[in-house]
Amino acid sequence: DTAVSQTPKYLVTQMGNDKSIKCEQNLGHDTMYWYKQDSKKFLKIMFSYNNKELIINETVPNRFSPKSPDKAHLNLHINSLELGDSAVYFCASSQRGVGSTYGYTFGSGTRLTVV
Amino acid sequence: GIQVEQSPPDLILQEGANSTLRCNFSDSVNNLQWFHQNPWGQLINLFYIPSGTKQNGRLSATTVATERYSLLYISSSQTTDSGVYFCAVVFWGVKAAGNKLTFGGGTRVLVKP
Repeated sequence: DTAVSQTPKYLVTQMGNDKSIKCEQNLGHDTMYWYKQDSKKFLKIMFSYNNKELIINETVPNRFSPKSPDKAHLNLHINSLELGDSAVYFCASSQRGVGSTYGYTFGSGTRLTVV
Repeated sequence: GIQVEQSPPDLILQEGANSTLRCNFSDSVNNLQWFHQNPWGQLINLFYIPSGTKQNGRLSATTVATERYSLLYISSSQTTDSGVYFCAVVFWGVKAAGNKLTFGGGTRVLVKP
């Protein structure tokens, strides 16, 4: 059973399009995240939701809109895609508090290429 | 400001060699994890280690929270150990808002046969 699953794994699209990435976790965690990994491998948080409530919203263009229908799902919708949005996007989950016994769990990533 | 720094940035090893990777962080933490990103891009959790020492096979990690650093040891390295190793922390207090996991820049490891 996959703990944190993201779809699609690869996404190639043209500039100006709108696309979505989906994430689901079956760990029973109450907090989910989106991270972006740039071409230099640097990982930076974008958003965090706790029980469907947005709790972290870093400096991200408002073309990016997260949606959490329930605590097991966190989707990322991107409008008007730009070349600079090309990156790998990781979903993650954790149990909020001091830190869960096993910390954060990451999905396998979605490689987005904008052409 | 809040920082997580890893060293060295790059490491080339001969198979069978041992190595130590270091992570320094600028403030008190309540969560520290080491991850391995393999050549296929997957982020694998190696250790959850806000303090103390843990071992898992050929890998071990030590965090000295009072001195704000953590070390990851790789012994008898294998080609499958290649990839990028990340240290990531959640800082205490106000800085811990949302349990944000802050990553270091990573150490790129290449193990040659």
